[in-house]
Amino acid sequence: DGGITQSPKYLFRKEGQNVTLSCEQNLNHDAMYWYRQDPGQGLRLIYYSQIVNDFQKGDIAEGYSVSREKKESFPLTVTSAQKNPTAFYLCASSIDPLRLGTEPYEQYFGPGTRLTVT
Amino acid sequence: AQKVTQAQTEISVVEKEDVTLDCVYETRDTTYYLFWYKQPPSGELVFLIRRNSFDEQNEISGRYSWNFQKSTSSFNFTITASQVVDSAVYFCALSAPFINTGTASKLTFGTGTRLQVTL
Repeated sequence: DGGITQSPKYLFRKEGQNVTLSCEQNLNHDAMYWYRQDPGQGLRLIYYSQIVNDFQKGDIAEGYSVSREKKESFPLTVTSAQKNPTAFYLCASSIDPLRLGTEPYEQYFGPGTRLTVT
Repeated sequence: AQKVTQAQTEISVVEKEDVTLDCVYETRDTTYYLFWYKQPPSGELVFLIRRNSFDEQNEISGRYSWNFQKSTSSFNFTITASQVVDSAVYFCALSAPFINTGTASKLTFGTGTRLQVTL
């Protein structure tokens, strides 16, 4: 079955440590995204990638880094510079809209990783 | 700047009641796209619908229906005869079209409405 996997479901880290969240998709989607969700808030875009070896900052990129070495994978590193890293992190992917026109296609989401930093 | 407002933080209904979730948006684009997503307790967002700004026809899909009113910048979502399985957080989101190469689907989300359906 095609889909997006994120691991682990729950992650615990000590303050000051970097941590990398995994995101893999087998939907053959070009575009991938990372969102952060805090209680009572909507999703906020951290980074997105249109194509392999290219990515762009979203609205809240400070304290995060990403890489896109393979089409299927878009890992997110939460660095020690992120002041409030405890949150629910969601990865998503979509068809590259530029392939077929200018309409944005729906994003498919993974199950998320709940990160707790103490 | 784009903005999506979901003023209803939480709604509780009894099964079989109809319920409407409100969504009001702001954008300066003449062409834009609106989405609704469902987030069940498992956490994964599920796509429900996409609507472009040129299509103001209401849409019905089973017990779900959507009312797009461009004049009031609203895109409301109604669940008819609600069921316990409808309990979730529902997000409305807004996106602009892609006029630049290399621009991915940037969605602006509302803060969500938590719907609780009880027996």
